[in-house]
Amino acid sequence: QSALTQPASVSGSPGQSITISCTGTSSDVGGYNYVSWYQQHPGKAPKLMIYEVSNRPSGVPDRFSGSKSGNTASLTISGLQAEDEADYYCSSYTSSSTLVVFGGGTKLTVL
Amino acid sequence: QVQLQESGPGLVKPSQTLSLTCTVSGGSISSGDYYWSWIRQPPGKGLEWIGYIYYSGSTYYNPSLKSRVTISVDTSKNQFSLKLSSVTAADTAVYYCARAQYMITFGGVIVRDFDYWGQGTLVTVSS
Repeated sequence: QSALTQPASVSGSPGQSITISCTGTSSDVGGYNYVSWYQQHPGKAPKLMIYEVSNRPSGVPDRFSGSKSGNTASLTISGLQAEDEADYYCSSYTSSSTLVVFGGGTKLTVL
Repeated sequence: QVQLQESGPGLVKPSQTLSLTCTVSGGSISSGDYYWSWIRQPPGKGLEWIGYIYYSGSTYYNPSLKSRVTISVDTSKNQFSLKLSSVTAADTAVYYCARAQYMITFGGVIVRDFDYWGQGTLVTVSS
């Protein structure tokens, strides 16, 4: 069982918006602004999409946005495109001895 | 552009030691600007952080693997390595090396994210 909880799957049609949630505790997501999101296409390495809750690395489309409320972080993808179909993982710093925790991953299907 | 490349055996026998090396190009491990990490992903499953190392040799490990893990660094070769001892089938996974961005706080080091990843290498534990 992963330390952070994500829905197993979400889906949306091209052009629509979707949101993926990532729920933790006050020791990780709720206590620190060190939440990051990764996109992983099949057979590929994860790619950093969002860091520090809501910041986009250079080159990531502004269709991707992040936010946080309490112990839950969210990744929103607006204007869905076919190439957005992938697995998405959240991660957070944790004050526990584990130091780094990941979510179980969410499979995004673009219908 | 930073690139990371994992290398090592793709098949390891149970009870033996898994050894992998990550070669970094396009940037120097010795710059001190990053930590260097290992992360793994069992087939069809999620990501698990294994540990990370600073160029000075300072390490942090996932407590669940700490008794079996050693991460080391060779700044002369711009490489860092992973050793995982007493492996079982449960250690079968794609192993990734990654660059970790960090912050220094009153409480110590906080790794905030992993911004560059290697392509990953599948290691199968089987006799």
